[in-house]
Amino acid sequence: GAGVSQSPSNKVTEKGKDVELRCDPISGHTALYWYRQSLGQGLEFLIYFQGNSAPDKSGLPSDRFSAERTGGSVSTLTIQRTQQEDSAVYLCASRRTSGSYNEQFFGPGTRLTVL
Amino acid sequence: SQQGEEDPQALSIQEGENATMNCSYKTSINNLQWYRQNSGRGLVHLILIRSNEREKHSGRLRVTLDTSKKSSSLLITASRAADTASYFCATDEDDMRFGAGTRLTVKP
Repeated sequence: GAGVSQSPSNKVTEKGKDVELRCDPISGHTALYWYRQSLGQGLEFLIYFQGNSAPDKSGLPSDRFSAERTGGSVSTLTIQRTQQEDSAVYLCASRRTSGSYNEQFFGPGTRLTVL
Repeated sequence: SQQGEEDPQALSIQEGENATMNCSYKTSINNLQWYRQNSGRGLVHLILIRSNEREKHSGRLRVTLDTSKKSSSLLITASRAADTASYFCATDEDDMRFGAGTRLTVKP
């Protein structure tokens, strides 16, 4: 089947605007992750969803960031009142379960540029 | 939760040479995974090594695990320009946090 998809692939926005980034995980994968990666840097964990459990939001950098996962499938990452430092590639990954032998599958990312 | 930490941060070698990257972690694990990232896009899973394994091979990749030192190494033999990428390790915590990665450059 299809892999993880993300949309849009690129997003340019003005400072202060809100943006929504979408992730479609692999069908049947119960675990979903969002990461942020600034240019030349490593992956910064943002949030993790596992089934119907409360998400682990410990990586969200500020209250301007929120994410939801509807019906245990599609996820949306929302950034309100965007700032220039929010510019980065936002990566989504899914995993069949949270079991330790399951690898993550990553989407191609959304490159966000805040002017 | 913990994350793997890779070193060196950057490595530059000539085509044909071997490249070795290291990963350290802090607590007990069940397994450790290595991933590769090209051009700042999604990561691709390379290899998983379990805590009861000491060494594992996949093509030109060789991974070792030393649970007493809480470290792992990834060796790429006979490197090619196409191996140029960033390499990350991740432990088996549910929230899968990654380190900063090793940026490998293989010069033709």
